[in-house]
Amino acid sequence: DSGVTQTPKHLITATGQRVTLRCSPRSGDLSVYWYQQSLDQGLQFLIQYYNGEERAKGNILERFSAQQFPDLHSELNLSSLELGDSALYFCATSLAGGPTDTQYFGPGTRLTVL
Amino acid sequence: GQNIDQPTEMTATEGAIVQINCTYQTSGFNGLFWYQQHAGEAPTFLSYNVLDGLEEKGRFSSFLSRSKGYSYLLLKELQMKDSASYLCAVRDLSGNTPLVFGKGTRLSVIA
Repeated sequence: DSGVTQTPKHLITATGQRVTLRCSPRSGDLSVYWYQQSLDQGLQFLIQYYNGEERAKGNILERFSAQQFPDLHSELNLSSLELGDSALYFCATSLAGGPTDTQYFGPGTRLTVL
Repeated sequence: GQNIDQPTEMTATEGAIVQINCTYQTSGFNGLFWYQQHAGEAPTFLSYNVLDGLEEKGRFSSFLSRSKGYSYLLLKELQMKDSASYLCAVRDLSGNTPLVFGKGTRLSVIA
């Protein structure tokens, strides 16, 4: 158990809908990263926050957004969902988000769009 | 940009040794990570190399050669529970992505 928590564990929804995924970091970690993992793809980096501020942005679609709250938990919002958005969504957290940090992953949310 | 290559699949026998290779091309290399991921579960941290050489941690060792853009993960005394995907990830300071992951190597350990 990494100490990172994610909810919900599973989510089934329909195309066009909007969902929110939640991540709570390990105690003391200030940085949160969001990743998408589809069947044929590796872990694709979406976005990183550090202490409430956006620090790095990957190939995140405009339909997706995220934020990190003052208590350091983070939410990933996915809207106008498409079939291709079905994937495992992981968050990872690290101490300071710096170059030598190790990222520790949460258990993931499996999103199924029907 | 970044490019990370790993074999897609490998099979090895229980009790044996297996070496999983990773080659990478980056312009701002600043460290390489190995993660283990069982199907449907979270990646778990195995090792981190930033300098050339071998890092040993129990049954697992990781090697890095920065001049060759090459790393390997060595698993000794294989156990059935080692059946998993092994992800190579590179930290590249030149890009926007804090950590770039390879697609992973799916290792099957057979009796």
